Amino acid sequence: DTEVTQTPKHLVMGMTNKKSLKCEQHMGHRAMYWYKQKAKKPPELMFVYSYEKLSINESVPSRFSPECPNSSLLNLHLHALQPEDSALYLCASSPPSRVPGYTFGSGTRLTVV
Amino acid sequence: AQSVSQHNHHVILSEAASLELGCNYSYGGTVNLFWYVQYPGQHLQLLLKYFSGDPLVKGIKGFEAEFIKSKFSFNLRKPSVQWSDTAEYFCAVKGSGGYQKVTFGIGTKLQVIP
Repeated sequence: DTEVTQTPKHLVMGMTNKKSLKCEQHMGHRAMYWYKQKAKKPPELMFVYSYEKLSINESVPSRFSPECPNSSLLNLHLHALQPEDSALYLCASSPPSRVPGYTFGSGTRLTVV
Repeated sequence: AQSVSQHNHHVILSEAASLELGCNYSYGGTVNLFWYVQYPGQHLQLLLKYFSGDPLVKGIKGFEAEFIKSKFSFNLRKPSVQWSDTAEYFCAVKGSGGYQKVTFGIGTKLQVIP
């Protein structure tokens, strides 16, 4: 298995809803990442987990809450989002350093109404 | 801090024309370099990557890129473009050590006219 799988592919949520995005990989990668991509812009890093511990938070608002329950799973919990949070959310994973294999998932397209 | 500069924001070519998209990076160490393509409404797809070894890297769909360390460049090339190559192209850089983030360039929109 050489893929990063993200679910759902599309999500529409209201500003008072609570939802979660899920990311899964079975490549044995020990680092996992959340990126956000707005329309016509490059992806921007949000969070990095290394060995299931949060190692980088790029000053992301608390309405986004990441969770890494095990080495294969990465969640992004969403609560009280704003319409400007509508974007494509990308998950990625990578093996230890100096080993090729940085892999992106296909993303969840989120619309906040 | 690492950064990526893509010089051409919007390129329009006729089919069969040759393509070269410029990419320069800034990073104070050994780098991994990537080109990604994003077709309209779709997700990122990896075109090619450079980690080490031969600086001329061949990717999918007839694309290639050359890593020139002295120029901090990683330009993308294709000898003959097709209408189906119409997409956004992102150059990206990652430090080779540790669990580092990938930093993307602003992207180049390629439009191929039949």
